[in-house]
Amino acid sequence: AQTVTQSQPEMSVQEAETVTLSCTYDTSENNYYLFWYKQPPSRQMILVIRQEAYKQQNATENRFSVNFQKAAKSFSLKISDSQLGDTAMYFCAFMWDNDKIIFGKGTRLHILP
Amino acid sequence: GAVVSQHPSRVICKSGTSVKIECRSLDFQATTMFWYRQFPKQSLMLMATSNEGSKATYEQGVEKDKFLINHASLTLSTLTVTSAHPEDSSFYICSARDLRHQYEQYFGPGTRLTVT
Repeated sequence: AQTVTQSQPEMSVQEAETVTLSCTYDTSENNYYLFWYKQPPSRQMILVIRQEAYKQQNATENRFSVNFQKAAKSFSLKISDSQLGDTAMYFCAFMWDNDKIIFGKGTRLHILP
Repeated sequence: GAVVSQHPSRVICKSGTSVKIECRSLDFQATTMFWYRQFPKQSLMLMATSNEGSKATYEQGVEKDKFLINHASLTLSTLTVTSAHPEDSSFYICSARDLRHQYEQYFGPGTRLTVT
């Protein structure tokens, strides 16, 4: 069975700092997708970044980048120059075979002014 | 970008009544939609996968007779909570998979259900 583990329930960083959120997963699949979703207080799920497992290059989206270590089954999210608007719940997620998405338990991130 | 709407955004109903939640993909076709439940400060729990024109597939532990799902068209799926109980109070979120981009799921804004 596929599982997604986020070991940091909550984190706080000062505005403008860099923060890294950890995520590990377990699967026997070879082709899959990994995602980071953001859920702000509005509770609307927002896709932050997506990584295809067959791509070795780490995905980046502006201030957001990932460190994808396929052999280690690790998928961390780095947020550079953090902003107050980054305060949210962040979920790591896994999808295979164009099927359902499995979410981790989430990391609550607080950006402090 | 692709937009998914949910209606209503909030609903309060009395115990024993039924309530229907709609999920619509506004600018794309979705053969598959997903229904999630989220308790406060917790993750999203997949309840069921809804495929257009066929019966929904429910996750283990989800009562199919209590949570009725209908996916009548490529843009609409509905979740009906039947004989609601206070423990059904929760935040319900749907997502829709874009037919053109199978790896993308777009999420609705959610529906907060309160059963009194």
